[in-house]
Amino acid sequence: DQQVKQNSPSLSVQEGRISILNCDYTNSMFDYFLWYKKYPAEGPTFLISISSIKDKNEDGRFTVFLNKSAKHLSLHIVPSQPGDSAVYFCAARIDDKIIFGKGTRLHILP
Amino acid sequence: GAGVSQSPSNKVTEKGKDVELRCDPISGHTALYWYRQRLGQGLEFLIYFQGNSAPDKSGLPSDRFSAERTGESVSTLTIQRTQQEDSAVYLCASSPRGGLTLYEQYFGPGTRLTVT
Repeated sequence: DQQVKQNSPSLSVQEGRISILNCDYTNSMFDYFLWYKKYPAEGPTFLISISSIKDKNEDGRFTVFLNKSAKHLSLHIVPSQPGDSAVYFCAARIDDKIIFGKGTRLHILP
Repeated sequence: GAGVSQSPSNKVTEKGKDVELRCDPISGHTALYWYRQRLGQGLEFLIYFQGNSAPDKSGLPSDRFSAERTGESVSTLTIQRTQQEDSAVYLCASSPRGGLTLYEQYFGPGTRLTVT
């Protein structure tokens, strides 16, 4: 039973355009949502988070939106850059555990 | 400064053998986590150590899996009688504190385990 779902295994976006990565969750008890970025042969690195009491958090080119009624969050990257090509994991926290989605591979096209 | 390190980076073992994976967390980090990522899957929580508290072992998939941590330093994840379904990348992460600051997790590069 997947509590955090990333339904798009991959996404291709033109350089300079907006990348939108989506994530759905099922457990209304999650109190924090996080996005991690992972390059090949490296561990994931923390990107941005949002508390369940907020609906938006922005950090430079990265913005995360949370829609609690729809149990949906999204990560917007604008403008997309070649270095953004990576796997992005959506994650959610409950108690002391973080539950990860399967990831979405983002390809930034020149 | 040094990040989280894991060894070995790659391990190939025969089915039925035991393996031991090592994690060196960032110095001073009290919290340490083990995750597993099987092919095409997300990161699966295995176990969590926080200071001297009893570890949260709720993610360990079977009693063939165990982990230890000495104080706030090195941790080893042991898999006994390995099975082919144990093949995965095993990731370790450490954090300055557990609980409210989980988003400060720093991941190691992982150990790729292949069971033949």
